[in-house]
Amino acid sequence: GEDVEQSLFLSVREGDSSVINCTYTDSSSTYLYWYKQEPGAGLQLLTYIFSNMDMKQDQRLTVLLNKKDKHLSLRIADTQTGDSAIYFCAEKKTGFQKLVFGTGTRLLVSP
Amino acid sequence: EAGVAQSPRYKIIEKRQSVAFWCNPISGHATLYWYQQILGQGPKLLIQFQNNGVVDDSQLPKDRFSAERLKGVDSTLKIQPAKLEDSAVYLCASSPGGEAFFGQGTRLTVV
Repeated sequence: GEDVEQSLFLSVREGDSSVINCTYTDSSSTYLYWYKQEPGAGLQLLTYIFSNMDMKQDQRLTVLLNKKDKHLSLRIADTQTGDSAIYFCAEKKTGFQKLVFGTGTRLLVSP
Repeated sequence: EAGVAQSPRYKIIEKRQSVAFWCNPISGHATLYWYQQILGQGPKLLIQFQNNGVVDDSQLPKDRFSAERLKGVDSTLKIQPAKLEDSAVYLCASSPGGEAFFGQGTRLTVV
């Protein structure tokens, strides 16, 4: 498809793990990103993975990449209420490095 | 390192008026992006510059939107005349080639 797709909403309890999924469009995309957006704020780069990797861990964040299925996931361990936000995945396409965003997943963390 | 700077932070205009947004990217970043983010949606790419040349403006409504990047550094995005549906946050991002960094955005309200 043409769109980067994400599920709209995820609700978890504090201390649980969260997994946010994304399906991207271009199997040749060079970089795949996860951004966080809090209300009224800009986009904060959380982490990214280069296309020749299948996993990247950064403190509480784990990114998994399945190139065959064009599937990207972000796992947040020990989710905190401060993690409540909208999470966007994005792919950087080959060629002119166009950066295309998904629709965003709203994560709600309850105490 | 200074981040991506955007101004103004907020703007309210009447329909059919003109408006301009300014972006100062991170020094040395060759790629500059302008995105439109309508409330509840993911960012949509309007235009991408590589140095001072346009590499993608396929989703820019060229009858009313224009953008330039002077000397491959600062950039301005203009809307003339504005419509109600242009109400959104306009985000600027810059990239040296890998990660893309975003400014805080300009929130435009057209009344």
